[in-house]
Amino acid sequence: NAGVMQNPRHLVRRRGQEARLRCSPVKGHSHVYWYRQLPEEGLKFMVYLQKENIIDESGMPKERFSAEFPKEGPSILRIQQVVRGDSAAYFCASSPRKGGGTDTQYFGPGTRLTVL
Amino acid sequence: DQQVKQNSPSLSVQEGRISILNCDYTNSMFDYFLWYKKYPAEGPTFLISISSIKDKNEDGRFTVFLNKSAKHLSLHIVPSQPGDSAVYFCAASPPRNAGNMLTFGGGTRLMVKP
Repeated sequence: NAGVMQNPRHLVRRRGQEARLRCSPVKGHSHVYWYRQLPEEGLKFMVYLQKENIIDESGMPKERFSAEFPKEGPSILRIQQVVRGDSAAYFCASSPRKGGGTDTQYFGPGTRLTVL
Repeated sequence: DQQVKQNSPSLSVQEGRISILNCDYTNSMFDYFLWYKKYPAEGPTFLISISSIKDKNEDGRFTVFLNKSAKHLSLHIVPSQPGDSAVYFCAASPPRNAGNMLTFGGGTRLMVKP
């Protein structure tokens, strides 16, 4: 199965610690998107990346959150100094080229972050 | 400011009958719409999509209808099966040159009773 892979599936952190979430896109996909789902809500867009470039980070909180998609390796969503409000499911999606139009985004299984 | 809304948080349907899930949007810039199905503890799975130049798209038991003037779309599942029980999200996308994010509705939980 060459779908979107995310790890870890579950992550528990204490307030103030750092959380690193990894996403490997579908093989051949060069576009990665991160979404966050808070309890009982829909998914909210956070950031769109291509290899080595952040294309759109309009949904990212201004502080403590960062994302990268290096030339080699998975995309990383990093949350510094986590707070309880960061507890959510974080989903990564990938598409073969720019989303919108006829490009469908395919989602990974998500990482469920719990902040104690 | 919710640009995509699913006003029914849940829907219960008998097996074999039709399930109709509704979605409304406010942003007239959206030009591509998708439906995703989500089981607990899994990621959303793509179901079916429709471009704004069409008013209907069909794939097996799933049909999506788009009414642009009303800014409304619906997903029809016929016949409904117990395995269809899940949360369904509609999502909307702007044109290629206006961004790449999907805007999701809040979801509708479908329960298909045997």
